[in-house]
Amino acid sequence: QSVLTQPPSASGTPGQRVTISCSGSISNIGDNTVKWYQQLPGSAPRLLMYSTDKRPSGVPDRFSGSKSGSSASLAISGLQSEDEADYFCSSWDDRLNGPVFGGGTRLTV
Amino acid sequence: QITLKESGPPLVRPTQTLTLTCTFSGFSLRTSGVGVGWLRRPPGKALEWLGLIYWDDDKRYSPSLRTRLSITKDTSKNQVVLTMTDMDPVDTASYYCAHWEQRWYFFDHWGPGTLITVSS
Repeated sequence: QSVLTQPPSASGTPGQRVTISCSGSISNIGDNTVKWYQQLPGSAPRLLMYSTDKRPSGVPDRFSGSKSGSSASLAISGLQSEDEADYFCSSWDDRLNGPVFGGGTRLTV
Repeated sequence: QITLKESGPPLVRPTQTLTLTCTFSGFSLRTSGVGVGWLRRPPGKALEWLGLIYWDDDKRYSPSLRTRLSITKDTSKNQVVLTMTDMDPVDTASYYCAHWEQRWYFFDHWGPGTLITVSS
């Protein structure tokens, strides 16, 4: 059972906007920044978003992140077929003294 | 350019000890603020953090696996070694090593992963 809670699945059609939620607690999301990782089929995870709303170079601005209290969201606008992947949220947990992850959301386009 | 690659036996018997090596390039584990982490993802399940070793040799382990894990580094060889004892079929997973950036608290470069199967 993962420390952070995500919906197991999400879906959308090309061009649509989808949002993936991530719920935690004061010891992780509530007090620390949020990261999002994308894992395409057969590939290693890739950092998609850090410091809650910052994108590493090479990540399109169709991806955006936000946080409110102990919950966070990843939004993908202008959905494309290549966005079909598993998405994991993550945050540092002060109580466990390490990074924690969500259960992952499989996005179907 | 930072690269990492995991290596180890693809098949491990139950109760045996797993030893995985992460060989990296493009950074040094002598650099302040840098670390290497180990994570895994069982088939069809979530990503799980296992442990982390920092530039100053400080180490962090997942509380649920702490008694079974050990992480060491060989700075001269640019390698980090993960040891996991008493392997069980539930430990079957793809195992990844990743570059940790302490400034941002994230894993920004990942190895391709290696599938470890635990079976008799």
